[in-house]
Amino acid sequence: EAGVTQFPSHSVIEKGQTVTLRCDPISGHDNLYWYRRVMGKEIKFLLHFVKESKQDESGMPNNRFLAERTGGTYSTLKVQPAELEDSGVYFCASSLLGNTIYFGEGSWLTVV
Amino acid sequence: AQSVTQPDIHITVSEGASLELRCNYSYGATPYLFWYVQSPGQGLQLLLKYFSGDTLVQGIKGFEAEFKRSQSSFNLRKPSVHWSDAAEYFCAVGAQSGGYNKLIFGAGTRLAVHP
Repeated sequence: EAGVTQFPSHSVIEKGQTVTLRCDPISGHDNLYWYRRVMGKEIKFLLHFVKESKQDESGMPNNRFLAERTGGTYSTLKVQPAELEDSGVYFCASSLLGNTIYFGEGSWLTVV
Repeated sequence: AQSVTQPDIHITVSEGASLELRCNYSYGATPYLFWYVQSPGQGLQLLLKYFSGDTLVQGIKGFEAEFKRSQSSFNLRKPSVHWSDAAEYFCAVGAQSGGYNKLIFGAGTRLAVHP
């Protein structure tokens, strides 16, 4: 069974540019999450989808971040415009409700 | 508010030595507790989890953890560390009772292993 897959694995962009991260959850997992870890700090929750609906987006830092999950399958996280402080690793995860959350390998973003 | 504290930022042990990584949590209800590991350049891998039942849980790679409600702790242990265990370890609590919908992580403990 395929795990959570994320693309791209690494991205280097200039300040002010746009980046879109993609996540494909484990097949059958209605719950999809985005987390991020910036500059060696704690891993922080960003948001949670149940199917295509945003269940909890309390962790989204500001309106430069937009997450979507069309059709309840894969999800994208867009950062527009990117700032230096957005550099870090963005993790996607998925789960069945109330069960273990499985993480992808992360998308490493560097904003220069 | 829920929180997780990992008091040790860095730990260095010799290969073959025993290991204990500390984790304390603050959570009002019965917690769901997890340990994840991130090896260099890799994603987060689940080592073990505690939902209920036996307070000593076994995980992958020879790790175990013990839930102690009285101490609000969930320390990770391994009797003999291997060089490949060098990584960063994260303790996490699942927030929301009756199931959980997100994880709150500690700051992580970076483990170095000397040959």
